[in-house]
Amino acid sequence: EIVLTQSPGTVSLSPGERAALSCRASQSFSSAYLAWYQQKPGQPPRLLILGGSTRTPGVPARFSGSGSGTDFTLTISRLEPEDYGIYYCQMTGHSWSTFGPGTRVDIK
Amino acid sequence: EVQLVESGGGLVQPGGSLRLSCTASGFTFSIHWMTWVRQVPGKGLEWLANIKGDGSEKYYVDSLNGRFTISRDNVRNSLYLQMNSLRVEDTAVYYCARDRGNHVDWGQGTLVTVSS
Repeated sequence: EIVLTQSPGTVSLSPGERAALSCRASQSFSSAYLAWYQQKPGQPPRLLILGGSTRTPGVPARFSGSGSGTDFTLTISRLEPEDYGIYYCQMTGHSWSTFGPGTRVDIK
Repeated sequence: EVQLVESGGGLVQPGGSLRLSCTASGFTFSIHWMTWVRQVPGKGLEWLANIKGDGSEKYYVDSLNGRFTISRDNVRNSLYLQMNSLRVEDTAVYYCARDRGNHVDWGQGTLVTVSS
């Protein structure tokens, strides 16, 4: 069973700052099966990145995904006020899936 | 446009049963794997189960210990989750999702509250 760990647990940054959110897996896997989501209160998660690094339509270019093996990162290059929320990584396969515990992003 | 609409949530007593439904539209339901994910209020996301398009394969998270059953009706474009022997800790928002292999497309969720 692969376990995903996300860090930091919470980050508080000002608009314009850069955020780097880490997702670490207990075993190596292909980035092709790594997705990132943003969730705001009362809403389902919103897909940001699939395949480790591909932004989905409508996602601003300030969001980028990178990484390989066991270490993956979601970077928000210049935070905007609307980027608050909890960010989850997910590893998927057709017979199972798992989510990281999430990183909370607060905007100062 | 892909739409996934969950229903069937509500208040149930510990030890009781509940059946969640998800009605899908905007895509060819029968060819897609489908998934249930839940989220305890204020907590993270937990993948529960998924089912192949023709219903021939089903997979579950180990922690359910056989209490939940996923099924589908491709004529009605519907996904189901039968939940038995419910516990207080099963209180959560339950999301239906289309499994794309490398991500999922989400419904809006339905709240299940297990309480006496």
